[in-house]
Amino acid sequence: QSALTQPASVSGSPGQSITISCTGTISDVGDYEFVSWYQQYPGKAPRLLIYDVSKRSSGVSNRFSGSKSANSASLTISGLQDEDEADYYCCSYADSTNWVFGGGTKLTVL
Amino acid sequence: EVQLVQSGAEVKKPGESVMISCKGSGYTFTSYWIAWVRQMPGKGLEWMGIIFPGDSETRYSPSFQGHVTISADKSISTAYLQWNSLKASDTAMYFCARRGRLHDMKWFDPWGQGTLVTVSS
Repeated sequence: QSALTQPASVSGSPGQSITISCTGTISDVGDYEFVSWYQQYPGKAPRLLIYDVSKRSSGVSNRFSGSKSANSASLTISGLQDEDEADYYCCSYADSTNWVFGGGTKLTVL
Repeated sequence: EVQLVQSGAEVKKPGESVMISCKGSGYTFTSYWIAWVRQMPGKGLEWMGIIFPGDSETRYSPSFQGHVTISADKSISTAYLQWNSLKASDTAMYFCARRGRLHDMKWFDPWGQGTLVTVSS
């Protein structure tokens, strides 16, 4: 099972919006509404942001939102803040291989 | 507070064995799956496998099947990840994470703090 495809890096200025894409196949993202997104700061454990494609985890700012279309999912961060600079990972349930993560996207706030 | 606390860093030589642990607290340990995730230096997250401590049902990613063993001791609310013969390529940070309790809860939250395993001769 190949990793989901994410851009290696994205950047944006404070206050702007950015979107991180996550492309899978009909066997994972395309077949299930079980996409989740995680934020990871350097040297720290990942933190759940979004689950079931678009539901925000408890305590997560409403600046974070998720969506899905066919075999691709997206994470949008609006009103970028310095504290959003981190790595972001998508993850999808994939039945036979259970779960698959994306390669990760490094967000730089300019 | 729901917490997963992992064991400390390990430094081993190729061919040696090691077992790292993940202790759950603040919830009913036997009712939630525990997953293990690898993060090689400077790389992304990789799903390794998952165990249900209630009955020890275990599933592995094909990429890790046969190379690691996942187990759990429900009497002490602890899950384990074990290698019998380490390779230098096993050097990585390993995270445990709790999966949602119900069948359709397929996300991971919370995560342990991570255990660094270094394999070097």
